[in-house]
Amino acid sequence: KNEVEQSPQNLTAQEGEFITINCSYSVGISALHWLQQHPGGGIVSLFMLSSGKKKHGRLIATINIQEKHSSLHITASHPRDSAVYICAVQGLGANSKLTFGKGITLSVRP
Amino acid sequence: EAQVTQNPRYLITVTGKKLTVTCSQNMNHEYMSWYRQDPGLGLRQIYYSMNVEVTDKGDVPEGYKVSRKEKRNFPLILESPSPNQTSLYFCASSSPRGVSYEQYFGPGTRLTVT
Repeated sequence: KNEVEQSPQNLTAQEGEFITINCSYSVGISALHWLQQHPGGGIVSLFMLSSGKKKHGRLIATINIQEKHSSLHITASHPRDSAVYICAVQGLGANSKLTFGKGITLSVRP
Repeated sequence: EAQVTQNPRYLITVTGKKLTVTCSQNMNHEYMSWYRQDPGLGLRQIYYSMNVEVTDKGDVPEGYKVSRKEKRNFPLILESPSPNQTSLYFCASSSPRGVSYEQYFGPGTRLTVT
């Protein structure tokens, strides 16, 4: 079993829809990262969170440490949101590395 | 502009021909790492460095070398590339926020070994 599981595996939505992407993990963590990768390859860090909720524009990330679960929400989705969304967890300890989920491919249709 | 740069962006080479992929960051980050990304496997760490002259193996270090002689640079060296090293490679640097590290990724290097 992978340490980081993402669901759904692939997701297609219509422009304007509210989208939720989930991430579950099985180890203790110091932080969870949400990353975005557009076609063409570049990876951008969207959020780093260790508790509660963060919001940036139309994106909201939440984490429940007790349940070992995080969600990334996209409100009023747009075709430019089409990308791969990757969840990564950072283990406990200052030198701990990131463990990545396999990513969710999101396609938002106009 | 804060950034991580990688060169080259695309490389096609032949088995056994030594190559180096450069990585440089301008944010004075201590932590740098190399990842490879393969379909169905996600991102996997190759090597990382906590600071100058301090490097360590990640999950898939076989066939790779790194060096960290300066804080800003972290080159990835393939002494004798093989076709199974065909992949998309990312360099990343990090800034600690307590025990958590905010990640900055380079644009990626697509390597094909024939």
